[in-house]
Amino acid sequence: AQSVSQHNHHVILSEAASLELGCNYSYGGTVNLFWYVQYPGQHLQLLLKYFSGDPLVKGIKGFEAEFIKSKFSFNLRKPSVQWSDTAEYFCAVKDTSGTYKYIFGTGTRLKVLA
Amino acid sequence: GAGVSQSPSNKVTEKGKDVELRCDPISGHTALYWYRQSLGQGLEFLIYFQGNSAPDKSGLPSDRFSAERTGGSVSTLTIQRTQQEDSAVYLCASSLGRGSETQYFGPGTRLLVL
Repeated sequence: AQSVSQHNHHVILSEAASLELGCNYSYGGTVNLFWYVQYPGQHLQLLLKYFSGDPLVKGIKGFEAEFIKSKFSFNLRKPSVQWSDTAEYFCAVKDTSGTYKYIFGTGTRLKVLA
Repeated sequence: GAGVSQSPSNKVTEKGKDVELRCDPISGHTALYWYRQSLGQGLEFLIYFQGNSAPDKSGLPSDRFSAERTGGSVSTLTIQRTQQEDSAVYLCASSLGRGSETQYFGPGTRLLVL
């Protein structure tokens, strides 16, 4: 069965620090990959997604993620975080075999100190 | 335009009672998903509906859980004989349903079973 692992459950950073959140998935076939973010008091929303092509994907608010197929990873990065990036981040995977089922990781709570 | 809406926003019930949670997806979205978000557990897939196809119920945790989608639009998630472990936030999401598109999430229903 597919699974998604987010190894960092809680991350605390100071403003301007660099961020990298890990995401690994287990599935041998072709996948689509997503990062969603949930800001305090707000709905979950899409941050970025990878379907095919350039493995380095850029999303909103300066976030990017790199798909490394050989490592089954899709890590999220941001060179310089801001206080407003405080949120919970979820990685998700969907195989491309025709199912509409998405598998989400357990999430990473990021707190950015001003 | 209007996003995904869910009602009620909060529900407190006694153990053993039945509850119904409602989701209104974005108009025109043929795919609808239900997830459960528990503390430290991330988003747990429950069920999805895609057009007129049979729903994928593989994530429903027990036969106390059921869902229906009437007329390809509004969906109701029913939990019978609620247990304390059912306490969680229940999230609904919808998407266009033509592939691996963005899911749009509702605000969730926070269920507390006493």
